[in-house]
Amino acid sequence: SQKIEQNSEALNIQEGKTATLTCNYTNYSPAYLQWYRQDPGRGPVFLLLIRENEKEKRKERLKVTFDTTLKQSLFHITASQPADSATYLCALGNYGQNFVFGPGTRLSVLP
Amino acid sequence: NAGVTQTPKFRILKIGQSMTLQCTQDMNHNYMYWYRQDPGMGLKLIYYSVGAGITDKGEVPNGYNVSRSTTEDFPLRLELAAPSQTSVYFCASSYAQTGANEKLFFGSGTQLSVL
Repeated sequence: SQKIEQNSEALNIQEGKTATLTCNYTNYSPAYLQWYRQDPGRGPVFLLLIRENEKEKRKERLKVTFDTTLKQSLFHITASQPADSATYLCALGNYGQNFVFGPGTRLSVLP
Repeated sequence: NAGVTQTPKFRILKIGQSMTLQCTQDMNHNYMYWYRQDPGMGLKLIYYSVGAGITDKGEVPNGYNVSRSTTEDFPLRLELAAPSQTSVYFCASSYAQTGANEKLFFGSGTQLSVL
C-alpha cells in the first residue's frame, strides 16, 4: 500500500538558517506533489505545487524539489523566521484521484 | 468571502450519541471532502462529493454518513459515536477534482471527543 513519510515529527532550527523538510513515498507514482502549512487549531493552507516533470519550484523564500527516482520531495525555507513555525504537510496526487497526505513535520524556528 | 466554514469548533459526545458536523463553502466549488486528522497519522479521507447529489467513500468511511443536497453544504453525520472517532475533522473544497492545477481549501476544523 502507499506510504508517505516526512522526516522527523519535529524539527528545531535557529532563526536565519535554512529549514529543510523531507517527504518520502513508496508504492506510489504521483503526477504532482503539494505542500501545505498548518497552524495550531487551523486547517492546512496551500503553499506550493510541483509536477513530476519539474525538478524545482520557488516562491519567495520557499523552494521545493521533486525527485521521482529517489521518490522524494524536499521543502526548503531560507532565512527562516519564528513566524515560519508551523506544521508542514506534503500531499501526493494523480489525475482523477484524491490526495494522499503525509503525517506532517512540526517546525519550530527559535529566535 | 468566508471560504469554508465548519461548525461546531469543539464537541464532546458520549458513546452511542449521534451528531452532525456542518460544513459550508461560498466559493461555488464542485468538490467537497471530509478528512479526519489523528496525531502522527496525517489526514485521512472519509467521504467526498463531486457535486450536489453525488457522494463517494474515501479511505475511512465506516461509522460516518454524508449528504450533498446543495453545492454549498456537505454535512458529516456520526450515528453511533465510538471512542475511535475521537479526532479533529476537516472539511475541504476544490473547484475541480484534485488534478495538477487544483488545491484544497480547508475549514478550521472540529475537535471531537467521544467519551
